[in-house]
Amino acid sequence: DADVTQTPRNRITKTGKRIMLECSQTKGHDRMYWYRQDPGLGLRLIYYSFDVKDINKGEISDGYSVSRQAQAKFSLSLESAIPNQTALYFCATSVGGGGTEQFFGPGTRLTVL
Amino acid sequence: RKEVEQDPGPFNVPEGATVAFNCTYSNSASQSFFWYRQDCRKEPKLLMSVYSSGNEDGRFTAQLNRASQYISLLIRDSKLSDSATYLCVVKSSGGYQKVTFGIGTKLQVIP
Repeated sequence: DADVTQTPRNRITKTGKRIMLECSQTKGHDRMYWYRQDPGLGLRLIYYSFDVKDINKGEISDGYSVSRQAQAKFSLSLESAIPNQTALYFCATSVGGGGTEQFFGPGTRLTVL
Repeated sequence: RKEVEQDPGPFNVPEGATVAFNCTYSNSASQSFFWYRQDCRKEPKLLMSVYSSGNEDGRFTAQLNRASQYISLLIRDSKLSDSATYLCVVKSSGGYQKVTFGIGTKLQVIP
């Protein structure tokens, strides 16, 4: 079955460290997204990409950067992690042209000490 | 005011009960509406889209009221397996078609 995968699934790191979260998909979707989820705040969009050459900031992009290495790969980096970036991070994909459903990866639980 | 508002619950209901969740949205230009289901510590998954005329999928019924800017989800004959968090999702019109997720309503079905 086509899939959205995320690595690592869990990560504990220290303040100031650089962290990369990776997302791969075999669905052939053009659009990819990075969200973070915090209790009481729901899912918030960090970055989105409509194709390899199109990357856009979401509502909470400060402190994060992304790279779309290929249609199937979209990485999220925390250049210098801080404790309030502790959260559950999800990658998602959708078809282009106004497709509706988003397909989520299993999530990465990140803890910054 | 939040763009999408939901009562976080939890709603604790006995097996077999009927339960309804509402969700309000602030952008009157919103175009598309959805309910996603999220199990504890898992990824969200699409439960159903919400159409203007209302739609049903088995025990689940979704309705949209554009005039009052709310959508609802009705679950009949609740099962233990329905226990999850239900996310209201609203998609705007325009170039990006911004998707906004509510914080979710937690449902616990008890035996």
